[in-house]
Amino acid sequence: GQSLEQPSEVTAVEGAIVQINCTYQTSGFYGLSWYQQHDGGAPTFLSYNALDGLEETGRFSSFLSRSDSYGYLLLQELQMKDSASYFCAVRGRRDQNFVFGPGTRLSVLP
Amino acid sequence: DVKVTQSSRYLVKRTGEKVFLECVQDMDHENMFWYRQDPGLGLRLIYFSYDVKMKEKGDIPEGYSVSREKKERFSLILESASTNQTSMYLCASSLITRIGENTIYFGEGSWLTVV
Repeated sequence: GQSLEQPSEVTAVEGAIVQINCTYQTSGFYGLSWYQQHDGGAPTFLSYNALDGLEETGRFSSFLSRSDSYGYLLLQELQMKDSASYFCAVRGRRDQNFVFGPGTRLSVLP
Repeated sequence: DVKVTQSSRYLVKRTGEKVFLECVQDMDHENMFWYRQDPGLGLRLIYFSYDVKMKEKGDIPEGYSVSREKKERFSLILESASTNQTSMYLCASSLITRIGENTIYFGEGSWLTVV
């Protein structure tokens, strides 16, 4: 089966940089994705890594190391609106399925 | 713009009632999913469908069934609601997965309370 681990909570101040880690175990691997979810809202797609290395999208970057079964989401120049839960996800063994990590709640303090 | 619409945002149902949660997507996606989200447990897959009339069980299918009669519509059915099914339910859709395509689009969620 598949399983993912993330820290449950991270706290940082406005303007800082924060890294949210994700480790995974999966029998098949088709890429690691990151999603953001604000309280009461739906998860929305942030980024995707199929290959090793860093992908940058504005203030957000995501990194993948397939040999270590590890990835992270890097958020720079933190803003209050970045306070949310962040989920990593992998495509599952049955090819069409997505499996999500437990989520990391990020709190950005003034 | 990508759109996944869930018919009900908030519902309150009684124990034993049959509950229907409807979901429609306008992106012509092949895959549709129903997840349940509970505090501390993250997103758990109930059922998914990769084609009309096709369905596969997810991690927690007990007490649920689904229906996909048309490509754009995926319904979740609670045959006899119980209090432990009080939760937020998220519908989602995606294209057929292939290398480079890994985005899943979610609806706004349906908050179900069973009393």
